[in-house]
Parts: sequence; structure tokens; C-alpha cells
Amino acid sequence: AQSVTQLDSQVPVFEEAPVELRCNYSSSVSVYLFWYVQYPNQGLQLLLKYLSGSTLVKGINGFEAEFNKSQTSFHLRKPSVHISDTAEYFCAVHQGGSEKLVFGKGTKLTVNP
Amino acid sequence: GAGVSQTPSNKVTEKGKYVELRCDPISGHTALYWYRQSLGQGPEFLIYFQGTGAADDSGLPNDRFFAVRPEGSVSTLKIQRTERGDSAVYLCASSLNQDTQYFGPGTRLTVL
Repeated sequence: AQSVTQLDSQVPVFEEAPVELRCNYSSSVSVYLFWYVQYPNQGLQLLLKYLSGSTLVKGINGFEAEFNKSQTSFHLRKPSVHISDTAEYFCAVHQGGSEKLVFGKGTKLTVNP
Repeated sequence: GAGVSQTPSNKVTEKGKYVELRCDPISGHTALYWYRQSLGQGPEFLIYFQGTGAADDSGLPNDRFFAVRPEGSVSTLKIQRTERGDSAVYLCASSLNQDTQYFGPGTRLTVL
């Protein structure tokens, strides 16, 4: 069965510092990859997605992610974070032939002044 | 345009009671999904509808859980004989092309 690992449950960082949130998935077959953000007491908002093509994907709010097939990773990055980026971030995979998303446990990003 | 909406936003019930949770997908989206998010966890898949039919219900935890989508739009998730372990946020998502799912705000269910 497909699985997603987000190694860091919490990431504290200072404002304007760079950040990387790590995501690894288990399958080497064709997959679609997603990052969602969840602000407190809100639903999931799509940040970015990889379906095919360029391995570097740019999303909203200045985030980007790189698909690495050989390492089965899809790490999320932002060069300079803001206080407003404080939220929980979920990596998810959608394997071809299955309609469900499989999510990681999430990474709580806290941006401090 | 309007996104996915879910009602109620919060539901408190007593152990053993029956509850219904409603989802209104984005207009025109043929695919609809239900997920459950427990505290400190990522969402877990429950059931997927394509049109009116349940195409994959492999995530429903037991026969107390049931979902319908009679006209291919609004869906209702039904939980019978609720248990304290059913307490979670229930998320609904919809999709047009089965590649990107758009989520609603969720219903927080608390079973006392």
C-alpha cells in the first residue's frame, strides 16, 4: 500500500529564514504529488501539485517543490518565510489507478518573529 | 466561485446516537470524496463517489458508516450508533478531472 512519510512533525523557524519541509513516498510507480496547507480551524488549501513534466513545481505564496523520482521525494521549500506561513503542511500522493489521496501526518511550521 | 461547503461546521452528539454530515461539492464536479482527520493525523480516505455511485468505499471503517449521493451532487455521510472513537474532523473534497481535489472546511464531530 502507498504511504507518505513526513519526517518532521514540527519545524520552528525565524521570519525571513529559508525553510524545507520533507516528504517521501513509498511507491516508485507513476504518482501525482501534492502539498496542502491547513491554517488553524480551516480546511485544506492546495499549495502546489506535480502531475508530470518539469520536476520543479511552483505554487502559491512563494512555495516550490521538487519531484525526485530516484529518491521518491517531494520536498517543499520557501526561500524566505513570513509569520503568516505558520500552519500545518500535508504532503499527499495519488497513485495512478486509485482515486484516493494518501496523506502524511503533517508538519507544523511555526514562524517566529 | 463557491467552493466546497459542509454542514454543520460542528456537531456534538452522545454515544449511541445517529448523525448525518452534509457536503455540497463545487458545481459541476463529478467526483466527491470523504476523509476523516483525527487529532494530530493527516486525513484518511473513507469513500469516493463518481456521479451517484460509490466507486470505492474501502476506507469506511465498519458498517456503522454509510454515505449516499442520490443525485450526483450533494452527499451525506451517515454514522449510526456513534462511538467516542468516531470523534474527528470529517472532510469532504470534490474534483472535476480526478487529479486535483478541493477540500471543504470540514465538520468537527464530537461524541460524548
